[in-house]
Amino acid sequence: NAGVTQTPKFRVLKTGQSMTLLCAQDMNHEYMYWYRQDPGMGLRLIHYSVGEGTTAKGEVPDGYNVSRLKKQNFLLGLESAAPSQTSVYFCASRDPTVNTEAFFGQGTRLTVV
Amino acid sequence: SQKIEQNSEALNIQEGKTATLTCNYTNYSPAYLQWYRQDPGRGPVFLLLIRENEKEKRKERLKVTFDTTLKQSLFHITASQPADSATYLCALDRTGYSGAGSYQLTFGKGTKLSVIP
Repeated sequence: NAGVTQTPKFRVLKTGQSMTLLCAQDMNHEYMYWYRQDPGMGLRLIHYSVGEGTTAKGEVPDGYNVSRLKKQNFLLGLESAAPSQTSVYFCASRDPTVNTEAFFGQGTRLTVV
Repeated sequence: SQKIEQNSEALNIQEGKTATLTCNYTNYSPAYLQWYRQDPGRGPVFLLLIRENEKEKRKERLKVTFDTTLKQSLFHITASQPADSATYLCALDRTGYSGAGSYQLTFGKGTKLSVIP
C-alpha cells in the first residue's frame, strides 16, 4: 500500500519557469491538500479539494493553481516560479467519513533560483 | 480566521522524564484536535486525535488532553526516550461543522522536542 506519493522529490527551477507537482493517493480519499512548509512558519495550506473536480483556496494560494481531474490525483502548478516559492511542499489526503487523520506524502523540496 | 499556537519552538528534556507540549487556539471551536510527529526530511505522521467532547485520550506512552474552555490541548510523552526526539505538530480539525474552515486542517508551527540521554 503506497499511501500518498509525491513526484518529484527534489527540483531546482529558474525564476519564471513553470512546473507541476503531482500527488497521487491510493486510499480512495475524498479530501486532498497541498501545504508548504518554511522554517519558522509551519505548515501553511495552499489549496485543497473535497472531491473530484473541486478545488478551493487555502491560506496562501497566490502564485499557485491546482487541478483534481481524477479522484486519486491532485496537481499543484507554478506558472511563473519566484524565489519566494522556495519551500518544501507536502501533499496530504484523508477521508473524514472513516476517520479524520491525514496521510502525508514525503514532500517535494523546491528551490527557485 | 482560525489561529493555532504551539507555545514552545523547542523543548529539551532528560530521558525518562515526561514531556508536555502545549497547543492553544482562537476564534473557532474545532471538532477535533489532532497531533502529528514529523522527523527531519519526512512528512508528518498522525499520532492521536481528541474530540471536543473528550477530556483525555491515551495511547501507550502518549496522552492528550483537551480543554475547550481554555481552548487548549496538552500533549504528554511519559518515560521519554531519545527516539521520541522530533517535531510535534497540533492541528485544528472542524470536520462536521459548516462554514469557514470546515474542510481544512490548520496546523501550528510545531515544537521541536529533544530528549537528552
